[in-house]
Amino acid sequence: EIVLTQSPGTLSLSPGERATLSCRASQNVSGNYLAWYQQKPGQAPRLLVYGASSRATGIPDRFSGSGSEPDFTLTISRLEPEDFAVYYCQLYGGSPWTFGQGTKVEIK
Amino acid sequence: EVQLVESGGGLVQPGGSLRLSCAASGFTFSSYAMSWVRQTPGKGLEWVSAVSGSGAGTYYADSVKGRLTISRDNPKNTLYLQMSSLRDEDTAVYYCAKGYRYYDVWGKGTTVTVSS
Repeated sequence: EIVLTQSPGTLSLSPGERATLSCRASQNVSGNYLAWYQQKPGQAPRLLVYGASSRATGIPDRFSGSGSEPDFTLTISRLEPEDFAVYYCQLYGGSPWTFGQGTKVEIK
Repeated sequence: EVQLVESGGGLVQPGGSLRLSCAASGFTFSSYAMSWVRQTPGKGLEWVSAVSGSGAGTYYADSVKGRLTISRDNPKNTLYLQMSSLRDEDTAVYYCAKGYRYYDVWGKGTTVTVSS
C-alpha cells in the first residue's frame, strides 16, 4: 500500500503570508492522480484540487497545486482568515486510494 | 443545491449490525459513482467502499471486505452501507461522498460507535 507523508505537521503563519504544503508518495503511480482537501473543525472535507493541479469548482485562485510523483505541493498564495484549517492530500492512482495524515495551518 | 445527507449512525455492540443511508439531491444521482469514506482521530481519513453509477460495480477496502456492503437505489437517490460483524476499529465518522477516485461533494457525516 502506498503511504502519503505530509509535511510539515503544523504550519504557523499570519494572514497574508504564503503557505506551502508538501505531500510525498512512498512509491510512484503512473499519472498525477492527486487531490487536496481542506477540512475545518466539525465539517466534512472540501475538495480544492484534483489531478495534482486542477482547481475544483468555486475554489479561489489563491489555491494552487503543483508537482509530479512522488512530490506534490499545495500553495496558498496569501492566507485569508478562512484558510486556517487542516489540509489533506489523497492519491487515487493506486489501490486502495490513500490519504495523507494532514497538515494543520494555524494562525501565528 | 447539491447535497448529501447521511443517517443511520449510532452505538452498536461488537459483532452487531447497522445500516447507513445517504440521501442525495441536486444532481443526477445515477450518473455518478458514489463512495463511503470514514475518519477517526487515530487513523485519519480512510476510503471504505465505492459503487458505480449503475450499482453493478462495487469496491471495498481490504479492512472491510466481507463485512460491509455498499448498494444504491437510483430511483430513490439513496446510497447505503450495510455494516455487519462490526469491530471496535470500525468506530468512526462515516461520510458519503460523490465520486469514485476523488470526491467533489461530501455529506456532513454520521457517527458510528462500536462498543460494549
